[in-house]
Amino acid sequence: EAGVAQSPRYKIIEKRQSVAFWCNPISGHATLYWYQQILGQGPKLLIQFQNNGVVDDSQLPKDRFSAERLKGVDSTLKIQPAKLEDSAVYLCASSYDPSGLQEQFFGPGTRLTVL
Amino acid sequence: AQSVSQHNHHVILSEAASLELGCNYSYGGTVNLFWYVQYPGQHLQLLLKYFSGDPLVKGIKGFEAEFIKSKFSFNLRKPSVQWSDTAEYFCAVNARAAGNKLTFGGGTRVLVKP
Repeated sequence: EAGVAQSPRYKIIEKRQSVAFWCNPISGHATLYWYQQILGQGPKLLIQFQNNGVVDDSQLPKDRFSAERLKGVDSTLKIQPAKLEDSAVYLCASSYDPSGLQEQFFGPGTRLTVL
Repeated sequence: AQSVSQHNHHVILSEAASLELGCNYSYGGTVNLFWYVQYPGQHLQLLLKYFSGDPLVKGIKGFEAEFIKSKFSFNLRKPSVQWSDTAEYFCAVNARAAGNKLTFGGGTRVLVKP
């Protein structure tokens, strides 16, 4: 079974530039999550999708971050404009269970460095 | 603010030593508890989980964790570690009080010396 795919794996940009990350979840998983993991901290949920609808985006900084999952499969997360404090690993995870009670399967992450 | 706390940021121990990693959370009510592990160069993956029933749960690779409701704790243990247990370990809580979001602790880096 293929895992969660993410690209790119690494990205270096300057502040005020924009960047986009892509995630392809495990086939059949209706629930998709984006997390931000700052160095030395645990992952923090940014947004949760159920199919193509947003379930929870309460911790997404909506002035600069946006995410979509138009066809209920792949998802993109965008930052525009980026700030220095956005340097982090962005993790995508998926699950077959929207309640959050079952295992989430994580991708390898995209490491973003903002200079 | 409600949170998940892991007491140790770094742990260094020798093979065959026993390991215990602390995890405390501050959510009341119904909680579901997880330990995830990230081996070097690999993805985060589930080690074990607790939903209900026996508060002592067993996971993969000889790990176990004990849920103590009165102490709001879910400590991870392994009686005898191996070099291959070198990894970062994350405690995570899914709490109804937090809208069923999975909230992670800050992680503990474990280095097992051969």
